Amino acid sequence: DAKTTQPTSMDCAEGRAANLPCNHSTISGNEYVYWYRQIHSQGPQYIIHGLKNNETNEMASLIITEDRKSSTLILPHATLRDTAVYYCIVRVPSSNTGKLIFGQGTTLQVKP
Amino acid sequence: EAQVTQNPRYLITVTGKKLTVTCSQNMNHEYMSWYRQDPGLGLRQIYYSMNVEVTDKGDVPEGYKVSRKEKRNFPLILESPSPNQTSLYFCASSTHLQGNGELFFGEGSRLTVL
Repeated sequence: DAKTTQPTSMDCAEGRAANLPCNHSTISGNEYVYWYRQIHSQGPQYIIHGLKNNETNEMASLIITEDRKSSTLILPHATLRDTAVYYCIVRVPSSNTGKLIFGQGTTLQVKP
Repeated sequence: EAQVTQNPRYLITVTGKKLTVTCSQNMNHEYMSWYRQDPGLGLRQIYYSMNVEVTDKGDVPEGYKVSRKEKRNFPLILESPSPNQTSLYFCASSTHLQGNGELFFGEGSRLTVL
């Protein structure tokens, strides 16, 4: 599975959109981009995933560049409860290898 | 309720005293994995299992053992714990043969080795 690169930390004002970037320049054609978040030492929580098209669910939107070498997670209206560490990983859902690299993630601080 | 359950949630032990952290999932998932989390290092994979009786090393397997005798259980064994294994541990499971491949995580087990 490919490695990802994320900024260490970001700030966002409450009520504004939070845009979290992720680089995955070595992604292969059958790998999906997944986003998880971890709130204060709890178990990481799935947010969204996608292959090449943009995706949206009740939590967030995922924008993947055309060359698939980077993506952006968008929290449209950030709240204080969105303060967390956000992890971007790439994997094949039905992969025959289970090795997953999470990296250090981006610490998002939502401020009032 | 679909969940991954880890026990114990908190444990303080001494160097060399064997311990086991249990992990159980009720979603009939094929894939299970253990991670440790340390400040500034993110989540690092210890071991994973693609199915019953199939296990493999992650990035930091030294000092740990696992077994997968049943689909629902994936215990993490520390035969002779050392202080550098003091960490927050997470178990996760996923279906890898169908579905979207979402990982479900347990609530974590905080281990301190004195």
